[in-house]
Amino acid sequence: EPEVTQTPSHQVTQMGQEVILRCVPISNHLYFYWYRQILGQKVEFLVSFYNNEISEKSEIFDDQFSVERPDGSNFTLKIRSTKLEDSAMYFCASRAGTGARYFGPGTRLTVT
Amino acid sequence: EDQVTQSPEALRLQEGESSSLNCSYTVSGLRGLFWYRQDPGKGPEFLFTLYSAGEEKEKERLKATLTKKESFLHITAPKPEDSATYLCAVQGSQGNLIFGKGTKLSVKP
Repeated sequence: EPEVTQTPSHQVTQMGQEVILRCVPISNHLYFYWYRQILGQKVEFLVSFYNNEISEKSEIFDDQFSVERPDGSNFTLKIRSTKLEDSAMYFCASRAGTGARYFGPGTRLTVT
Repeated sequence: EDQVTQSPEALRLQEGESSSLNCSYTVSGLRGLFWYRQDPGKGPEFLFTLYSAGEEKEKERLKATLTKKESFLHITAPKPEDSATYLCAVQGSQGNLIFGKGTKLSVKP
């Protein structure tokens, strides 16, 4: 069964450093998303991406964040200058048309 | 403002003891209500999508129902492997998913 994959599973970085989180969505899906979940809190929407552009973003997704689909399979989230409060699980998700978003296993980001 | 509230926050059941989880929502223009299962340290695993009041979906020991204000996830004769956090999310007119905090279910043998 096709699934969303994410790398790395765990990323430790120092405050102020740039990180890139990588995702490979399900191959025939057209809509791509990033969500995050701070430990013990709700899953929160960050950004949606369709047809090679951002279609929607939340207040969390400020100028420090960017997304890219550099080729036909990868989807990345970049955080330019990480802050302590960026520590969270980051989930990539994808969707075919209407219907459910399928989530990846997540990347645990720890900012020290 | 779109909002999702799940109750209870935690639920402990004995194996075989059926129960229900609640998801109350307020959303402008419901485009779908989603149930996910999340195991510790893992991503949400899709269970069901419901689109309109009166709709029901079933999968093994789980059954999801939807009214205009809430959804229930009924668990019949649960097993220890059903232990997880169950997340409810709604998609409104804005398009993105709004999640609840989840119900942490523990099923003891």
